[in-house]
Amino acid sequence: NAGVTQTPKFRILKIGQSMTLQCTQDMNHNYMYWYRQDPGMGLKLIYYSVGAGITDKGEVPNGYNVSRSTTEDFPLRLELAAPSQTSVYFCASSYSAGGYYNEQFFGPGTRLTVL
Amino acid sequence: EDKVVQSPLSLVVHEGDTVTLNCSYEVTNFRSLLWYKQEKKAPTFLFMLTSSGIEKKSGRLSSILDKKELSSILNITATQTGDSAIYLCAAPGAGSYQLTFGKGTKLSVIP
Repeated sequence: NAGVTQTPKFRILKIGQSMTLQCTQDMNHNYMYWYRQDPGMGLKLIYYSVGAGITDKGEVPNGYNVSRSTTEDFPLRLELAAPSQTSVYFCASSYSAGGYYNEQFFGPGTRLTVL
Repeated sequence: EDKVVQSPLSLVVHEGDTVTLNCSYEVTNFRSLLWYKQEKKAPTFLFMLTSSGIEKKSGRLSSILDKKELSSILNITATQTGDSAIYLCAAPGAGSYQLTFGKGTKLSVIP
């Protein structure tokens, strides 16, 4: 199993450009998440999904969009990039059923710089 | 609003020392508390604690939950340079599987 994979690893964007961060997991997990991590600030949840076709906002969703058309993929779209979106982005997944919470598995991250 | 607070935010110790990292939480409908280790890249899972007073152990790392005090500690004995990392504490919030993370404790182990 590859686990959670993310592409690209690094990206530099100009202000106003758009891009999609890709995330794929091969563990058949129903839950998927996008976090951003700023220096010294822990991880903040952007969006999450509890299954294909179902997404919901996290703590910091502004400036981002997501979709979940398959169990495996959970892309994050940045429209009109701003310097405040400079961060490291992590995708994660977990399997949850019957109200029992399981740990999240993280991808390697995408380091994004907006200039 | 759910809150997870870690202390200290950073710590420098010498190899062989024992360290204790702290995590306190205010989470509605508490179910579990998780510890992750983050080196250069993705956080990797260490422990999940659900019951008060039961220690979880993995090698030189151990962790325990105190539901009465709404806190948890992560102990690392005989530290090694490879233990240098950011240690993150997190808890799922009420009615969902979102994790609320603390800011992390940056541990530096010097030879």
